[in-house]
Amino acid sequence: DTAVSQTPKYLVTQMGNDKSIKCEQNLGHDTMYWYKQDSKKFLKIMFSYNNKELIINETVPNRFSPKSPDKAHLNLHINSLELGDSAVYFCASSQVSGTGSFGPGTRLLVL
Amino acid sequence: AQSVTQLDSQVPVFEEAPVELRCNYSSSVSVYLFWYVQYPNQGLQLLLKYLSGSTLVKGINGFEAEFNKSQTSFHLRKPSVHISDTAEYFCAVSGGSQGNLIFGKGTKLSVKP
Repeated sequence: DTAVSQTPKYLVTQMGNDKSIKCEQNLGHDTMYWYKQDSKKFLKIMFSYNNKELIINETVPNRFSPKSPDKAHLNLHINSLELGDSAVYFCASSQVSGTGSFGPGTRLLVL
Repeated sequence: AQSVTQLDSQVPVFEEAPVELRCNYSSSVSVYLFWYVQYPNQGLQLLLKYLSGSTLVKGINGFEAEFNKSQTSFHLRKPSVHISDTAEYFCAVSGGSQGNLIFGKGTKLSVKP
């Protein structure tokens, strides 16, 4: 009965590879997000989707491409991974009020 | 634009002592305010939130926070901390129509025996 789930939990890969992170929520929320937490623990919004429509696209390299096949899923694909992409990526979902739930995070390490 | 400032990056405190973690925000619109806790190598857990109503908000694990509109603050308090409260604490604001959270840079609470 997990509310927001992410896979994989850990991801170790080489520079230049392409990888995807999947996120699913079973809360019936309309909005889903991707946040990035860097090595200094700073959390920042990357993308937001509302009912499969992109509504927030912060200053993120276009190597990052979110995809929302339906309201309950928001995946993140990263092309040509770089060392600086190493971080923890959190998926979240919410209704319009902003009170939402976070997934457990995906710890990405690029070697 | 909205922003959140957590005034202390680290707060060391002895076990059973009271603690206050400070948070100030700026926003041109009405806001919702949140405190999250992140234990080492864990995800984010919601401690408490202010949406409307009473300015004193009680959360989990004995934490509470007070919304002060005139001072644009939302400080987190606990009267007596435990070793297990050692973690990173994040203050966040949400006020835009998109509902995303703007986070402060975090305060690392270290509780010592």
